[in-house]
Amino acid sequence: SYVLTQPPSVSVAPGRTARITCGGNNIGSKSVHWYLQKPGQAPVLVIYADSDRPSGIPERLSGSNSGNTATLTISNVEAGDEADYYCQVWDSSVDFYVFGTGTKVTVL
Amino acid sequence: QVQLQESGPGQLKPSETLSLTCTVSGGSIYPYYWSWIRQPPGKGLEWIGYIYHDGGTTYNPSLKSRLTISVDMSKNQFSLKLTSVTAADTAVYYCARLRSNEAFEIWGQGTLVAVSP
Repeated sequence: SYVLTQPPSVSVAPGRTARITCGGNNIGSKSVHWYLQKPGQAPVLVIYADSDRPSGIPERLSGSNSGNTATLTISNVEAGDEADYYCQVWDSSVDFYVFGTGTKVTVL
Repeated sequence: QVQLQESGPGQLKPSETLSLTCTVSGGSIYPYYWSWIRQPPGKGLEWIGYIYHDGGTTYNPSLKSRLTISVDMSKNQFSLKLTSVTAADTAVYYCARLRSNEAFEIWGQGTLVAVSP
């Protein structure tokens, strides 16, 4: 089965840039989606189709995808960006939805 | 805007059947894909399965033998039944709407289901 690997944690100072990676075999050929989840809350879609933002999601969040790595970038990090972030793909070959292992972002 | 709300019992004993319903408000079941996802306490997200508005389903193979997802268009609801539960099924269960069959664009708030003797 398809596996998505994320770093368990990323720490970043306010105002800096956080980059969260999502590794998968030839992930560049798939459409990657990103969610943030705050404690006790449901996940929220923040990036879909590699780099598109749903309405209401700030431009500070951006995504890219190439080769074996997809990346979620959070620019000008704020305290409110502290959350768990998950990547996700649809493995069309077996019609199966895969989530990454999740990354906890801590704002220093 | 479209909102999803899960409902169902919060506690079960091993071997019982878990039944959850997701009610869709502010929009129609048609013509979307609808899914269930779960998250064990302190762990990551696991996709359970999805149903199309016409009743077509696809399930996670690891749960397929115990799982049924159904839809009731007249009530704007879809449901999950998971038989023979064990402690490993303890999780927050979310319902969600799929965007273009790929991304989970709208989520319910989740409901915690605990399985214990």
